[in-house]
Amino acid sequence: AQKVTQAQTEISVVEKEDVTLDCVYETRDTTYYLFWYKQPPSGELVFLIRRNSFDEQNEISGRYSWNFQKSTSSFNFTITASQVVDSAVYFCALSSLNAGNNRKLIWGLGTSLAVNP
Amino acid sequence: DAGVIQSPRHEVTEMGQEVTLRCKPISGHDYLFWYRQTMMRGLELLIYFNNNVPIDDSGMPEDRFSAKMPNASFSTLKIQPSEPRDSAVYFCASSLRGPSSYEQYFGPGTRLTVT
Repeated sequence: AQKVTQAQTEISVVEKEDVTLDCVYETRDTTYYLFWYKQPPSGELVFLIRRNSFDEQNEISGRYSWNFQKSTSSFNFTITASQVVDSAVYFCALSSLNAGNNRKLIWGLGTSLAVNP
Repeated sequence: DAGVIQSPRHEVTEMGQEVTLRCKPISGHDYLFWYRQTMMRGLELLIYFNNNVPIDDSGMPEDRFSAKMPNASFSTLKIQPSEPRDSAVYFCASSLRGPSSYEQYFGPGTRLTVT
């Protein structure tokens, strides 16, 4: 069975702090994608990143960085120098590439991040 | 380019009434997904289409729910009759067909309240 666990339900930080959101996944598949999405208070779901299971290189985009470690089945997301605008619910998701053209995403329950001024 | 468009943005209806939610995917996308989000159950996939054909509707809660995609640029999710427990935010999302395009792009959602 496939599963995504975001153990941190809520995180509260003060602006300019660094914060890491954890994502642990379970899958028996050898090829898969991992995703992060952001849901700000306005409600829309915004795609942030997709990572292929073949590629364990970390990725950095501005203040955002992602650490993918197959050995621990984790795909963690770090926000450096957090800002109030980063306040949102962040979702991690998994999609198998072994199951033919199955496009289902397996979603974590999300981590609610509050960045306080 | 326009993103995924959903209408209405908000819907308030009485129990027993029919509700129709609408979605226009991003042009050129050939996958379309309907999700429901509640505090209790999180984000649930209801059904998804590929090239207008339903591929997996295992998430549709019961016969009161139905979805159609008559063409590549339009889909509906219908609830008949509606019940208070159907109150949720319903999202539509779309994605491209290619193997390196699994990410889904979401619409703004429709907040449904059934009283």
